[in-house]
Amino acid sequence: QKEVEQDPGPLSVPEGAIVSLNCTYSNSAFQYFMWYRQYSRKGPELLMYTYSSGNKEDGRFTAQVDKSSKYISLFIRDSQPSDSATYLCAMSARSNYQLIWGAGTKLIIKP
Amino acid sequence: GAGVSQSPRYKVAKRGQDVALRCDPISGHVSLFWYQQALGQGPEFLTYFQNEAQLDKSGLPSDRFFAERPEGSVSTLKIQRTQQEDSAVYLCASSGEGALSGRGYEQFFGPGTRLTVL
Repeated sequence: QKEVEQDPGPLSVPEGAIVSLNCTYSNSAFQYFMWYRQYSRKGPELLMYTYSSGNKEDGRFTAQVDKSSKYISLFIRDSQPSDSATYLCAMSARSNYQLIWGAGTKLIIKP
Repeated sequence: GAGVSQSPRYKVAKRGQDVALRCDPISGHVSLFWYQQALGQGPEFLTYFQNEAQLDKSGLPSDRFFAERPEGSVSTLKIQRTQQEDSAVYLCASSGEGALSGRGYEQFFGPGTRLTVL
């Protein structure tokens, strides 16, 4: 079993919908939780990071971490076709730079 | 430059050939990382440099893989005697923070080099 599990999708939703993307993990030492967006043939781009548990909001994006359930989520409000990409979660233990990644969820926003 | 650049963007090699992949990090960034990303998977850590020092090479899959960053800026990942299982996208990332500062996760990625070994 992988340390970080992520549904590969694809997840297809209509424009304007609220999108929910999720990851589960097994290592309780993880403290930093990141969401990256990767467009085709591009490198990952950091969207959000959260330390420990709680919520963080940035524009249309909200990241949630539930350490008790070892579950993290990314919500996208008012989704746009330009949000179509693969979304990867990544995690690391405190003061440890080695990121452990999920496999990514492919998201398609239909106009 | 404005971001991390990598060259070449695409490389086709015959099995057994040696290849060299280049990474130009964001100017002034202390930390540099190499990752391997197989099709449909997340990146896997290969190695980490802080300035010119290679502090961690635990992710390099075999002794055919070698990385260097001699002057603390540009880095080269070299793969000797390439095998078909080396086919992947090789990503380089840089960070303005030293990894042990606890913010090494804020990494900026280049577009990657797609290596195909025939």
